[in-house]
Amino acid sequence: EAQVTQNPRYLITVTGKKLTVTCSQNMNHEYMSWYRQDPGLGLRQIYYSMNVEVTDKGDVPEGYKVSRKEKRNFPLILESPSPNQTSLYFCASSQFGNTEAFFGQGTRLTVV
Amino acid sequence: SQQGEEDPQALSIQEGENATMNCSYKTSINNLQWYRQNSGRGLVHLILIRSNEREKHSGRLRVTLDTSKKSSSLLITASRAADTASYFCATDGVGSQGNLIFGKGTKLSVKP
Repeated sequence: EAQVTQNPRYLITVTGKKLTVTCSQNMNHEYMSWYRQDPGLGLRQIYYSMNVEVTDKGDVPEGYKVSRKEKRNFPLILESPSPNQTSLYFCASSQFGNTEAFFGQGTRLTVV
Repeated sequence: SQQGEEDPQALSIQEGENATMNCSYKTSINNLQWYRQNSGRGLVHLILIRSNEREKHSGRLRVTLDTSKKSSSLLITASRAADTASYFCATDGVGSQGNLIFGKGTKLSVKP
C-alpha cells in the first residue's frame, strides 16, 4: 500500500530537548516536504527536498533542520524546541513538487 | 507566503444539498489542486486541474478554474454527512520550483 509514515503520532516534550520526527515513503517519490498546521494559519511549508541530498527552506524554516540521505526518508529535527513550535506537523511526498501529494497522518507536538 | 485563499471559511449545509467552495490565488499557476482533511488527520488529494483546463469532474466533485480571474471553485453535489471535513486548495506558482502553497481551508459541516 502506498503510504507516508510519520512517527511519533503524538509527542510531548520540554523546551530545549532535541527531538526528531521521522518520515518515510514507499512510493519512490522524488519530492518530500514538511508542513506545520496551526489554527487560523493553514498549512505552512517548513522545508522541502527535491531529491537526495537536496533540501531547501520553505516559508517557516527557523528552528528546524532536515536531512535527505536516502530517497525514502526525510526526518524533521528540532535541535532546541520552544513552545511556539507546538503544532500539528505533516510530512508529504509527491513525484514532483506540483503533482499529487500524499500526506502522512500527522504528528501532534506539544512543547512545554 | 499564502497563495490560495478559500471562501467561505466555514459552510454548514443539510445532507443532500450542494456545497460550493471557492479559492482565489495571486500569481500565475501551472496547476491547482483540492485536498480534503478530516479533523486532525492527513490531507487527501481530491483533484488536480491544469492551467489549460476549465472544468474537471470526479464522482460527485466538480472543479472549475478561471485563470483570468485567478479563481477556482469546488462543487460537491448531493452532499453526505461523511463529506464533513476541511477542504483546501493548493497552487504552484509559475517559477516557484513546483512547491505547493496551501490556503487556509473551508470547514464544511454537513448535517444529517
